[in-house]
Amino acid sequence: DAGVIQSPRHEVTEMGQEVTLRCKPISGHDYLFWYRQTMMRGLELLIYFNNNVPIDDSGMPEDRFSAKMPNASFSTLKIQPSEPRDSAVYFCASSLDSISYEQYFGPGTRLTVT
Amino acid sequence: AQKITQTQPGMFVQEKEAVTLDCTYDTSDQSYGLFWYKQPSSGEMIFLIYQGSYDEQNATEGRYSLNFQKARKSANLVISASQLGDSAMYFCAMRDVLSGNTPLVFGKGTRLSVIA
Repeated sequence: DAGVIQSPRHEVTEMGQEVTLRCKPISGHDYLFWYRQTMMRGLELLIYFNNNVPIDDSGMPEDRFSAKMPNASFSTLKIQPSEPRDSAVYFCASSLDSISYEQYFGPGTRLTVT
Repeated sequence: AQKITQTQPGMFVQEKEAVTLDCTYDTSDQSYGLFWYKQPSSGEMIFLIYQGSYDEQNATEGRYSLNFQKARKSANLVISASQLGDSAMYFCAMRDVLSGNTPLVFGKGTRLSVIA
């Protein structure tokens, strides 16, 4: 089975532009997590979904960030407008169900905002 | 709230030697899980090992073992017989395991360098 798929793998954009990151979880997984990794703050949760429903978005930095999961096989993280401080690696992870302990990470999207 | 502390920003180890990466945690949860992930220079996050707070035995996975000391709130990772391919960032993480599948809280990581 394919792992978690993220696209694009690298994104370079100018400040003020809209950025959309995409994630396809492992088929059959009920949980989807978006994490962000920066040098200053390390790895931190942005938002997570259970059965396509957002459960906790307290990690979303501000209104410029939004995330959706329209169906079980697709999620997007959108930044509008982007700022240089949004430069980071964004990871998507999925997990099977409420009792599974392992979260499977995608390869990440490296975002650079100039 | 949960907190993970990794006090070693960087570690060096000779090839074929064992190395211990430190991790301490703080939580008010009664049931929790402790995890170690490896992040090589290519950037992906690789799950290594899991320890449940009520597991009496320390977890082992091949060359990886987790030295769990609940009273001291520590969950150190031991890598035996280090290999050059073990050079990477290592992250300790935890989460509550009673409230469904909750997000991981990560430490800042330890960069391990294996020397030939």
